[in-house]
Amino acid sequence: QLQLQESGPGLVKPSETLSLTCTVSGDSFSSSHYSWGWIRQPPGKGLEWIGTIFYSGTTYYNPSLKSRVTISVDTSENQFSLKLTSVTAADTAVYYCSRHVVRVKYSVDYWGQGTLVTVSS
Amino acid sequence: QSALTQPPSASGSPGQSVTISCTGTSSDVGAYNYVSWYQQHPGKAPKFMIFEVSKRPSGVPDRFSGSKSGNTASLTVSGLQADDEADYYCSSYAGSNTVVFGGGTKLTVL
Repeated sequence: QLQLQESGPGLVKPSETLSLTCTVSGDSFSSSHYSWGWIRQPPGKGLEWIGTIFYSGTTYYNPSLKSRVTISVDTSENQFSLKLTSVTAADTAVYYCSRHVVRVKYSVDYWGQGTLVTVSS
Repeated sequence: QSALTQPPSASGSPGQSVTISCTGTSSDVGAYNYVSWYQQHPGKAPKFMIFEVSKRPSGVPDRFSGSKSGNTASLTVSGLQADDEADYYCSSYAGSNTVVFGGGTKLTVL
């Protein structure tokens, strides 16, 4: 059974960089059938697609966040990571790591439990 | 790339059917048959319910069905049950390897 687990600081100061890591347990991490990505949800609000990364390292980002986002992959550790720079209170959200099914244009079939990141001084 | 439009709320009585709409544009919902739907209970991660407009992943009851007409996709929940009470989100492929979500609809089972 595939499992995804987010980790990282729950509190980040304004203007600093938010960094999260997702550890994937399961045997599909290297498969070309899937990509791996991040989705966030501000408290009481809807979901926002942040971006996705392939095992090869190819990335695609939400155009509205592209200037501040970097998603990277560590194939030796079965992990992928999110960095979001110059954060503000608007970046406060539950951040989910997820598996995306490439064949159906990135439908999300597995989600992590989510981790709340608060941006505050 | 703007969020897809969903009604904030929907409701129905047990056993009834309810349909939730998801309106996009000719650049996302209207352009591709890659609409997905997710169910989210409070405090939980979303659950994958529908992909490619109308297909159900293994384990999702056939009470959940999806359709699309033009720029609007729809999710219908038939035979409403108490556990169907949740937030529902649509998403669509938006081209250039990007995805856009809807704002979510809170489904209440009366």
